[in-house]
Amino acid sequence: EVKLVESGGGLVQPGRSLKLSCAASGFSFNDYWMGWVRQAPGKGLEWIGEINQDSSTINYTPSLKDKFTISRDNAQNTLYLQMSKLGSEDTAIYYCAREGNGLDYWGQGVMVTVSS
Amino acid sequence: DIQMTQSPASLSASLGETVTIECLASEDIYSNLAWYQQKPGKSPHLLIYYANSLNDGVPSRFSGSGSGTQYSLKINSLQSEDVSIYFCQQNYDSPLTFGGGTKLELK
Repeated sequence: EVKLVESGGGLVQPGRSLKLSCAASGFSFNDYWMGWVRQAPGKGLEWIGEINQDSSTINYTPSLKDKFTISRDNAQNTLYLQMSKLGSEDTAIYYCAREGNGLDYWGQGVMVTVSS
Repeated sequence: DIQMTQSPASLSASLGETVTIECLASEDIYSNLAWYQQKPGKSPHLLIYYANSLNDGVPSRFSGSGSGTQYSLKINSLQSEDVSIYFCQQNYDSPLTFGGGTKLELK
């Protein structure tokens, strides 16, 4: 069974950094592109970015490129999202997702709240 | 960036009815379009990929169509469990972009 489990969320002060993790199981992690998507409270889905199998290609949505860094550890079957200079606009549920035909598996999401 | 315009933003329909949701891309995305369903408090779930391919386990009352810049999701014989928000996403070019969503409610 494919499982994606995000962790690392919580309450963080404005201007600080936070690193999210996504533990993958039930499939060959190093065969797939992986991505991050977020959803602000009551809003739609926003694609953050994606990373290919060997981390040689990483794409971001332009508005987040200077704040967020996606990485992966294939030995640990784990995807990461490093977030810096956080602001209230970054308050959201953050999902990791596997890129198969579309985003075919999603984690349960982790809440990040940016507030003083 | 490719802009995805989804319509309508909300929709109210009766059980058994057929509903259609539209998605318009700002440029040709060559059928690289996916549809997702998100039930309240849950993660999104892939329904359709490559414009018209049904994901495993998705009921056959869901179907997708379209080409070029215009795409649609059709739900035949609406069931109560179909009450959700539906999103389209283009995966033709980075940044991959979502439509704004369609909230489907029962009348």
